[in-house]
Amino acid sequence: EAQVTQNPRYLITVTGKKLTVTCSQNMNHEYMSWYRQDPGLGLRQIYYSMNVEVTDKGDVPEGYKVSRKEKRNFPLILESPSPNQTSLYFCASSLYADINQPQHFGDGTRLSIL
Amino acid sequence: QQPVQSPQAVILREGEDAVINCSSSKALYSVHWYRQKHGEAPVFLMILLKGGEQKGHEKISASFNEKKQQSSLYLTASQLSYSGTYFCGTEFWRSGGYNKLIFGAGTRLAVHP
Repeated sequence: EAQVTQNPRYLITVTGKKLTVTCSQNMNHEYMSWYRQDPGLGLRQIYYSMNVEVTDKGDVPEGYKVSRKEKRNFPLILESPSPNQTSLYFCASSLYADINQPQHFGDGTRLSIL
Repeated sequence: QQPVQSPQAVILREGEDAVINCSSSKALYSVHWYRQKHGEAPVFLMILLKGGEQKGHEKISASFNEKKQQSSLYLTASQLSYSGTYFCGTEFWRSGGYNKLIFGAGTRLAVHP
């Protein structure tokens, strides 16, 4: 089954404790991105990747890191999480970056930072 | 740059119609529409390219007015399953040849029996 898989689905942690949210897709998609969703603000892009080893900042990149060493994986890293990063996070992928392509979303990761 | 969606929320009875609007201050390359049910991931509905085309997905259709830089989503004879939050995503051309997709804040739709 074609899908985008995120782990973990839920995480409660404390300020300053490094964490990684994994994202994997099995559709051989070139383009992957991370969004955070907050009430009243919709989906805001954190980082995106157009292909392996090619990443760039989205609209709200502060406090986050990403890497794209393999085509299928695009982990989101919070080196020193803070409470303002408490949010619902979605990973998404699409076939290409430069053509109108539907975004396929993972099931989301709800992150709470105390 | 974030597109503006209106209304913010809609409450309908089953069988009623609704229109959700999405407006941008920038010239658009295309408009995406997604629906998100509570606790789930957003699901793709349709993409409209510039050219004023209209598309349909079951009883949900949409139009894209390039001149006005806006798109409208039409939900006809609403069903309970239509409940959720609808997001538009507007696509802009940017240097490097890659379009940028920005989502609106969403419109919450509740359909009651």
